[in-house]
Amino acid sequence: DAKTTQPPSMDCAEGRAANLPCNHSTISGNEYVYWYRQIHSQGPQYIIHGLKNNETNEMASLIITEDRKSSTLILPHATLRDTAVYYCIVRVNYGQNFVFGPGTRLSVLP
Amino acid sequence: DAGVIQSPRHEVTEMGQEVTLRCKPISGHNSLFWYRQTMMRGLELLIYFNNNVPIDDSGMPEDRFSAKMPNASFSTLKIQPSEPRDSAVYFCASSSGSFSYEQYFGPGTRLTVT
Repeated sequence: DAKTTQPPSMDCAEGRAANLPCNHSTISGNEYVYWYRQIHSQGPQYIIHGLKNNETNEMASLIITEDRKSSTLILPHATLRDTAVYYCIVRVNYGQNFVFGPGTRLSVLP
Repeated sequence: DAGVIQSPRHEVTEMGQEVTLRCKPISGHNSLFWYRQTMMRGLELLIYFNNNVPIDDSGMPEDRFSAKMPNASFSTLKIQPSEPRDSAVYFCASSSGSFSYEQYFGPGTRLTVT
């Protein structure tokens, strides 16, 4: 049973911010939100994770709503190389493995 | 660091043949994971090891599949006998700790069984 819901696909113009939503309305208090992405013909790559505070790193920002039922991954200035499938995963930090859903296929257009 | 290394990158074999996929994890990582990816089922965890010991093989589809990790720097996933429905991309990943937030994936092995 899926813990997250993501749109199957999105487009974004090159140089603009890409905002990828994820719904996780049944998230538990001890579950974190993780984002991975998979560029065509490569293995998945970790992007970012968070519990309840917003997080930022060199790749992206993660905004988690106050009720933690949804989140948004933000790529501030999308490039063509950001075209990939983006996976939103919910799990406790220790004690579970990652379960990858179908993700969102992001196409960055020139 | 070279990252996770998998071989071969591509494998084409006939139904009934034995297939062995190989993985070298990142040096110093003590957890290793085997995943399978197909269009129909997406990315699925098959088995994972911690300190060379298999911890959870509940994702292994059937007895035709077996995995070993004889030492910290090498693991194999074997399919015997192979069937067309085993055609998929098989990924190996490693991490520092079983439930680390970051797993490092290899480039995958694309297996085609005819």
